[in-house]
Amino acid sequence: EPEVTQTPSHQVTQMGQEVILRCVPISNHLYFYWYRQILGQKVEFLVSFYNNEISEKSEIFDDQFSVERPDGSNFTLKIRSTKLEDSAMYFCASSGQLNSPLHFGNGTRLTVT
Amino acid sequence: AQSVTQLDSQVPVFEEAPVELRCNYSSSVSVYLFWYVQYPNQGLQLLLKYLSGSTLVKGINGFEAEFNKSQTSFHLRKPSVHISDTAEYFCAVSETGANNLFFGTGTRLTVIP
Repeated sequence: EPEVTQTPSHQVTQMGQEVILRCVPISNHLYFYWYRQILGQKVEFLVSFYNNEISEKSEIFDDQFSVERPDGSNFTLKIRSTKLEDSAMYFCASSGQLNSPLHFGNGTRLTVT
Repeated sequence: AQSVTQLDSQVPVFEEAPVELRCNYSSSVSVYLFWYVQYPNQGLQLLLKYLSGSTLVKGINGFEAEFNKSQTSFHLRKPSVHISDTAEYFCAVSETGANNLFFGTGTRLTVIP
């Protein structure tokens, strides 16, 4: 069964550094998402992306965050200048159609020191 | 805005016993409802979904859930659990016609041999 893959599985970075989290969605999917889960808290929506542009974003997704689909297969989340509170598990997801279930990757654990 | 409440943060249950994981939601519009499971060190996997039609929904691994509109609930049940069901379970809701999911805080199910 096709999977969403995320790399790396764990990223450690220093406060103030830029990080890029990478995702390869399922190949025929059209909708892409990023979610995050701070340790011990709920999974939170960050952003959705369709037709090469952001379709929705939460208030968490401020100017420090950006997403890109640089080619036909990758979907990236960039955090420009990381803060300690950005430490979390970041999940990428994709879906084939609007309202169809999301398929999630295994996540990237980001640790900001 | 939608919100999801999972009242039980942890549910221990003996192997082969039945289990119910509770989920209540609030929304002013029509919603779709989902249960996802997260096994250790893995991503979120869809267990089942309610989009429309029959209020009793059957999913993978012997799980089922019942949508109760008057109670605004979507409780997850399994008549007989296995050790392999030990995982974190997340209830989620999305507005019909929207992409983003709102998750509950999760319930950790621990099956005791």
